[in-house]
Amino acid sequence: AQKITQTQPGMFVQEKEAVTLDCTYDTSDPSYGLFWYKQPSSGEMIFLIYQGSYDQQNATEGRYSLNFQKARKSANLVISASQLGDSAMYFCAMRERNTGKLIFGQGTTLQVKP
Amino acid sequence: NAGVTQTPKFQVLKTGQSMTLQCAQDMNHNSMYWYRQDPGMGLRLIYYSASEGTTDKGEVPNGYNVSRLNKREFSLRLESAAPSQTSVYFCASRFDQAGTEAFFGQGTRLTVV
Repeated sequence: AQKITQTQPGMFVQEKEAVTLDCTYDTSDPSYGLFWYKQPSSGEMIFLIYQGSYDQQNATEGRYSLNFQKARKSANLVISASQLGDSAMYFCAMRERNTGKLIFGQGTTLQVKP
Repeated sequence: NAGVTQTPKFQVLKTGQSMTLQCAQDMNHNSMYWYRQDPGMGLRLIYYSASEGTTDKGEVPNGYNVSRLNKREFSLRLESAAPSQTSVYFCASRFDQAGTEAFFGQGTRLTVV
């Protein structure tokens, strides 16, 4: 069954340091997409980065990169040079091609310390 | 440039009352979704619609009904609200193509007393 797991309820990182947010997934569909979203305290959902199951290279978007390890079924988000504005809830999500459903993990709250 | 619009933003219901949450998108997206967000639970999929006239259950469909009358609109109905349905509800839409992200509405905060 389609499932996304984020095992870190909360994380702290010092400003300007890098941080990795964990995400593991489970699916029997060979074709799927993985997404990361940011939700600041204001509540809106902001798309950060996407990785396709057939993509050969890890996705990068500015300070965000996705560490995609297909055999381990993990899709960790790496934020480099953390900023105070990165303090937010982060969600990992997966969409299976067969079902079309977009499923989210439980989220990780990141706090950046000055 | 509206994107995904949800109404209302806030609502208080009494147990047993019914209501419909409205969602409309102006991006010509095929897929639309309804989620609820509860502390520690993340976003859980209630219902999903791949196209006009089609709907499919998500992870937590009990107590909800949906309607996709046209491509733009996807409504969520609570027939008899319960305190357990107190939550923040999000609608999202997506163009059904690999690599495209879902766009979210601003959310509806629903309290059932």
